[in-house]
Amino acid sequence: ETGVTQTPRHLVMGMTNKKSLKCEQHLGHNAMYWYKQSAKKPLELMFVYNFKEQTENNSVPSRFSPECPNSSHLFLHLHTLQPEDSALYLCASSRGQGYVQETQYFGPGTRLLVL
Amino acid sequence: GESVGLHLPTLSVQEGDNSIINCAYSNSASDYFIWYKQESGKGPQFIIDIRSNMDKRQGQRVTVLLNKTVKHLSLQIAATQPGDSAVYFCAENEEGDGQNFVFGPGTRLSVLP
Repeated sequence: ETGVTQTPRHLVMGMTNKKSLKCEQHLGHNAMYWYKQSAKKPLELMFVYNFKEQTENNSVPSRFSPECPNSSHLFLHLHTLQPEDSALYLCASSRGQGYVQETQYFGPGTRLLVL
Repeated sequence: GESVGLHLPTLSVQEGDNSIINCAYSNSASDYFIWYKQESGKGPQFIIDIRSNMDKRQGQRVTVLLNKTVKHLSLQIAATQPGDSAVYFCAENEEGDGQNFVFGPGTRLSVLP
């Protein structure tokens, strides 16, 4: 176990639904990330939070809305998604020094299917 | 038309043999590299990292080699075991942008009994 947990592990939703993904890290880190992993594509960074503040939004559509209430928890709120949004959504955390290259530790991911 | 996704290379090795997985990177300013292992149904797991002031680093049964001249990274796994079967991918990072990694597409390693 990496110390990063994600729930749910699997999610099926319709295009009109609203759902949320949750991530929690038990590593005492201060940076948290959302990634999208699609079939046959490299990992794509979506959002970065440092000390609860969003520091990176990698041109993600507004139907994805992140929330970071504290350094240990990260949410990804989903609404009116498209079938092409079906993917594995991975959360990661790191120490959070920003300018210093730091290893990111990943959760197991949420497998999302949009019908 | 529909864009074509990346084809995931596959490496098949016999149990007990050594495995070599390669990664080419494009950014000559990248100076920190990580290898991750991703098993089916799991998130990426850190294996080993290397900074650009080194050309080789060894871990337990794994060795990472860095050739900055040709922008090439490799992961060597000694005495490959069935539990090594997974997708392996590299990640590169540029100094000054510590949290923005670029990930490779990955290589699927299959260990044959």
